[in-house]
Amino acid sequence: NAGVTQTPKFQVLKTGQSMTLQCAQDMNHNSMYWYRQDPGMGLRLIYYSASEGTTDKGEVPNGYNVSRLNKREFSLRLESAAPSQTSVYFCASSEEKDIANEKLFFGSGTQLSVL
Amino acid sequence: GESVGLHLPTLSVQEGDNSIINCAYSNSASDYFIWYKQESGKGPQFIIDIRSNMDKRQGQRVTVLLNKTVKHLSLQIAATQPGDSAVYFCAERANYGGSQGNLIFGKGTKLSVKP
Repeated sequence: NAGVTQTPKFQVLKTGQSMTLQCAQDMNHNSMYWYRQDPGMGLRLIYYSASEGTTDKGEVPNGYNVSRLNKREFSLRLESAAPSQTSVYFCASSEEKDIANEKLFFGSGTQLSVL
Repeated sequence: GESVGLHLPTLSVQEGDNSIINCAYSNSASDYFIWYKQESGKGPQFIIDIRSNMDKRQGQRVTVLLNKTVKHLSLQIAATQPGDSAVYFCAERANYGGSQGNLIFGKGTKLSVKP
């Protein structure tokens, strides 16, 4: 039972480079999310997709784009990486956004360093 | 409890003792609360949740208490074990007259269990 799978686990970029973080879930969940986690901080929402075909900005969307490729996959793209985007990125999914008891299931994270 | 800045508050307990992790929230519109456990190098893992129409909810070895009067949430872990060592996050979700906000995560508390 894989749950939420993220790739890659580690990545080092130079300032200005681009890359895409991949995420896939096998729980048939409708909603998917991208968070970033910085040292000593809680998780901050970058973008989410409440359902296939929709995406919305979260708390910290600047510098990122997302694609909900299908129900299973939700990717996060950094077009021109900046040192401020050095962080650990987590993908998550939930059965349905905004239901009474919304539980998020998280992947194991991608540690990204931008030099 | 939750902290501001880079350094997480740390709770150190003896194996077998009970642990209490606290969380203060500020949004009186929040009606759903959830606790996550994050072990080193892993994604957050759901522990227990509670809705605002309840004061207490119990799971296996864990209890969540909600005090809406003072906007305080706590997680109690009974008979703490070395495997409980992790960072614990609380999260809240506000209900704006039927429109749900996003989950907002606290900065976390690090629990260390001494053998």
